Amino acid sequence: DQQVKQNSPSLSVQEGRISILNCDYTNSMFDYFLWYKKYPAEGPTFLISISSIKDKNEDGRFTVFLNKSAKHLSLHIVPSQPGDSAVYFCAASAEEGTYKYIFGTGTRLKVLA
Amino acid sequence: ETGVTQSPTHLIKTRGQQVTLRCSSQSGHNTVSWYQQALGQGPQFIFQYYREEENGRGNFPPRFSGLQFPNYSSELNVNALELDDSALYLCASSLSASRDTQYFGPGTRLTVL
Repeated sequence: DQQVKQNSPSLSVQEGRISILNCDYTNSMFDYFLWYKKYPAEGPTFLISISSIKDKNEDGRFTVFLNKSAKHLSLHIVPSQPGDSAVYFCAASAEEGTYKYIFGTGTRLKVLA
Repeated sequence: ETGVTQSPTHLIKTRGQQVTLRCSSQSGHNTVSWYQQALGQGPQFIFQYYREEENGRGNFPPRFSGLQFPNYSSELNVNALELDDSALYLCASSLSASRDTQYFGPGTRLTVL
């Protein structure tokens, strides 16, 4: 049972444009969400997080939006840069068992110069 | 500040053997989590250790076991290896066992033949 889903395995975007990566979840107990970025031969790197008490969190070029009623979150990257090309994972955790992150399967973003 | 390191980088074992993977936490971090990432999947939580005690476990059989040492380095042991154990094994350290950001190492690629 895949509780966190990233339905787009890959995405290509022109440099300077907006990249939008999507994530859906099924467990209504999830109340904390994160995005990680992963380059080849490296471990995932934390990007940005959001608590369920918010619907938006921004950090520089990265913004995460949370729609609790739709059980959907998205990561916006503006403007996209070639160095953003990586695999992006969303992850979620519930209040009970806060230590345990459930990851999606990832979306490979390619930013074209 | 030294990041999270893992050894070895790659490992090849045969079915039925046992393997030990090692992780050195980021300085000041007392919590380590282990994840298994199969090809094309997101990381799956195996277990977490906080101050040398297991602090939670995912859906993995008992042949997956771990240790955390007083210096907060950690080991993942897998007995009776199966072909499906072939994966990238990631460890992540964090400041505490709450929702502090988890910092990942580069992983150990295990191949079981």
